[in-house]
Amino acid sequence: DAGITQSPRHKVTETGTPVTLRCHQTENHRYMYWYRQDPGHGLRLIHYSYGVKDTDKGEVSDGYSVSRSKTEDFLLTLESATSSQTSVYFCAISESVQKRNEQFFGPGTRLTVL
Amino acid sequence: QQQVKQSPQSLIVQKGGISIINCAYENTAFDYFPWYQQFPGKGPALLIAIRPDVSEKKEGRFTISFNKSAKQFSLHIMDSQPGDSATYFCAATLTSGTYKYIFGTGTRLKVLA
Repeated sequence: DAGITQSPRHKVTETGTPVTLRCHQTENHRYMYWYRQDPGHGLRLIHYSYGVKDTDKGEVSDGYSVSRSKTEDFLLTLESATSSQTSVYFCAISESVQKRNEQFFGPGTRLTVL
Repeated sequence: QQQVKQSPQSLIVQKGGISIINCAYENTAFDYFPWYQQFPGKGPALLIAIRPDVSEKKEGRFTISFNKSAKQFSLHIMDSQPGDSATYFCAATLTSGTYKYIFGTGTRLKVLA
């Protein structure tokens, strides 16, 4: 398995509280991604990073922010959690190696916002 | 133009049967089409992928068929086994740029013993 860890793995929080999810990789891959997975919607990209301090929005970025101060860490922050952000969050990494373009996924974080 | 439409949403197949999942895309610039397999409680994992310069790719019991003119691709699982029971996602991306994937909505496959 690719060296990707996510923390925490499970979290229950209340509406209006800030939440930070962490993705840590040991592969030194350039690209990192945050997805959310919801029934009927598949995997939707929240934000992604193409290098340290280089990030951009995905298709469902409202209410989320990210930061990447080191190659190995990509943080996802919900500034003020809402019930609609209850979901399973996956981090992924990839590297352009001979255009192989495979994304490797972490184990996920299940977030419940009450 | 960025959508990838996947069907069916769920699929039940008898052991030994053929499972077929279909995807259609809109952006003709996409040049890499992977399929991911996800077991409950786990992250998705790459199963097989294809580029549009070939019409078919086979790896063991898994085959991708690709129809560039119709902008469709499908996953065939031959001799389906109970261990294949999982959720399958198709995706599409451009290999130049930031490697953002557009995923289909997923197909939950159950193979009956």
